[in-house]
Amino acid sequence: KAGVTQTPRYLIKTRGQQVTLSCSPISGHRSVSWYQQTPGQGLQFLFEYFSETQRNKGNFPGRFSGRQFSNSRSEMNVSTLELGDSALYLCASSNLTGGSYGYTFGSGTRLTVV
Amino acid sequence: QKEVEQNSGPLSVPEGAIASLNCTYSDRVSQSFFWYRQYSGKSPELIMSIYSNGDKEDGRFTAQLNKASQYVSLLIRDSQPSDSATYLCAVNIPYLDTGRRALTFGSGTRLQVQP
Repeated sequence: KAGVTQTPRYLIKTRGQQVTLSCSPISGHRSVSWYQQTPGQGLQFLFEYFSETQRNKGNFPGRFSGRQFSNSRSEMNVSTLELGDSALYLCASSNLTGGSYGYTFGSGTRLTVV
Repeated sequence: QKEVEQNSGPLSVPEGAIASLNCTYSDRVSQSFFWYRQYSGKSPELIMSIYSNGDKEDGRFTAQLNKASQYVSLLIRDSQPSDSATYLCAVNIPYLDTGRRALTFGSGTRLQVQP
């Protein structure tokens, strides 16, 4: 059974640009959550999608957005990149919402903003 | 007060010893608690889940939950150098804006097992 797949693994972008990250969940999982991990703030919840609907959202500015497709694949977009957006972005999948039974994480996308 | 709190460490133990990792949380009605292990440069890996008060054992790992004290811990018996990693405590806590739950992580405790 394939795990959670995130692409790309690494990205370097310039301030002001936008970026799109992709996540394919474990087959059969309908919930996809996104997290940002930085050394200073740790793992912070961005949002959760379930059946193509944003179900929950953390405390991030509107520059961070996402969507989910009918095959459960998800993308997140960050517009007008800032230096502080440099982080590891992790996608996690689950067959239920809310993290009640835990998540399986992908390998992450390392974003560097210069 | 952070919603999920852990001592950042490092916690250093000799090989073969018991490592004890602790976590406190703020939400009195949380029902799901997890421990993740994260090696440097890797993504978090789920190692234990616990939902009821008491102990849950899986191999060398034991998770302990005390809901009255809002406290969850992880014991690693016969610690090995390969256990050296950051251990993240996670609790599913409601978010203010939506009232819906999501996993909230502590900042992690770095464990070093000395050969």
